[in-house]
Amino acid sequence: GDSVTQMEGPVTLSEEAFLTINCTYTATGYPSLFWYVQYPGEGLQLLLKATKADDKGSNKGFEATYRKETTSFHLEKGSVQVSDSAVYFCALSGGDDKIIFGKGTRLHILP
Amino acid sequence: GAVVSQHPSRVICKSGTSVKIECRSLDFQATTMFWYRQFPKQSLMLMATSNEGSKATYEQGVEKDKFLINHASLTLSTLTVTSAHPEDSSFYICSARQFMNTEAFFGQGTRLTVV
Repeated sequence: GDSVTQMEGPVTLSEEAFLTINCTYTATGYPSLFWYVQYPGEGLQLLLKATKADDKGSNKGFEATYRKETTSFHLEKGSVQVSDSAVYFCALSGGDDKIIFGKGTRLHILP
Repeated sequence: GAVVSQHPSRVICKSGTSVKIECRSLDFQATTMFWYRQFPKQSLMLMATSNEGSKATYEQGVEKDKFLINHASLTLSTLTVTSAHPEDSSFYICSARQFMNTEAFFGQGTRLTVV
């Protein structure tokens, strides 16, 4: 079945560092891809999405490009802030209407 | 953006009792709603998918008689944890999606503690 694999955390960076969180997927057909963020004690918020190959999703300085050839959707940000500390989930939505999540990556940003 | 409201945000109940969690889409019609369970420091486990007016589809290993899901209207779905036990303590999150929309919107989650 469909699945999402993302790098395990926690990831600890200093403020203004460059961030990459890797995400790869397995799916039949052409899924939509998402990054969600979860702040402590809260639900999930959609960070960005891409619905077809070569699409780039972006929001709040974060970017991810849908790479069909490598089945990847890596999350990047050029300069992280302390407020970016959270858990980030890569997810896909395939033809069966379900949203499948990766295990999440906890990000700590040090001032 | 679209808002999904989940209530209550926290609940403590005694072992053996039942607890109902509500999930409402406030400004759109949710043809599909999803219920997830999240264990500490882990990912979201999809429990079931419900479409308005029809029975929920449960994931393998999820007891449908224990986790009752009702999606009676386009704006409301409920999850009832019946005869709760301490091992049911968890963070439950709902999400809602509009017809033909790939994006799902999430509630803020419910922390259930069974004592």
